[in-house]
Amino acid sequence: GAGVSQSPSNKVTEKGKDVELRCDPISGHTALYWYRQRLGQGLEFLIYFQGNSAPDKSGLPSDRFSAERTGESVSTLTIQRTQQEDSAVYLCASTVTLSGANVLTFGAGSRLTVL
Amino acid sequence: KQEVTQIPAALSVPEGENLVLNCSFTDSAIYNLQWFRQDPGKGLTSLLLIQSSQREQTSGRLNASLDKSSGRSTLYIAASQPGDSATYLCAVSLSNRLAFGKGNQVVVIP
Repeated sequence: GAGVSQSPSNKVTEKGKDVELRCDPISGHTALYWYRQRLGQGLEFLIYFQGNSAPDKSGLPSDRFSAERTGESVSTLTIQRTQQEDSAVYLCASTVTLSGANVLTFGAGSRLTVL
Repeated sequence: KQEVTQIPAALSVPEGENLVLNCSFTDSAIYNLQWFRQDPGKGLTSLLLIQSSQREQTSGRLNASLDKSSGRSTLYIAASQPGDSATYLCAVSLSNRLAFGKGNQVVVIP
């Protein structure tokens, strides 16, 4: 598609439930990022995929968080046993590479509310 | 660890005034620097990208400068309009990720 697509746009869930968030990057973009933005806070790096290389998972806050990406296509971010502190907007972005003149393009985000 | 700081955190200006938003970063080994705009409840829109070899970029009323050696970038918005009200985020690209500042929250008063 023309842009980065994320779904669902909004998700309300009960504490303890698992959620899955989806990101469909721009075609041809080999790099894909997940960021988290809590209310009133800056963007927090979660995970990075580059082609078929091993992902950089150093930003995942706990083992309840995991993400997958097959090749250069769709990525899913899974949060198991959700907690109230997981409430945030989860932003996905993609680019060719981060160097030079390659712009990082963001999706509109998935707003997660954990009750 | 790269630290990105944006000052001021929030500002309000009357319509027509020029806006000056500052971004500083601690590690000068960057590939590029991007300025984004974020509207409430929405994602980020890229405004300008300055490559590490460049000093500035311009798009319409927006001008961004980069002084890599001192770790600073400034975003200028000329003749501000109420539609410029948003949060502006600065991000520097490292080897495999972007490090973001917390943003400058701008309100342009009609």
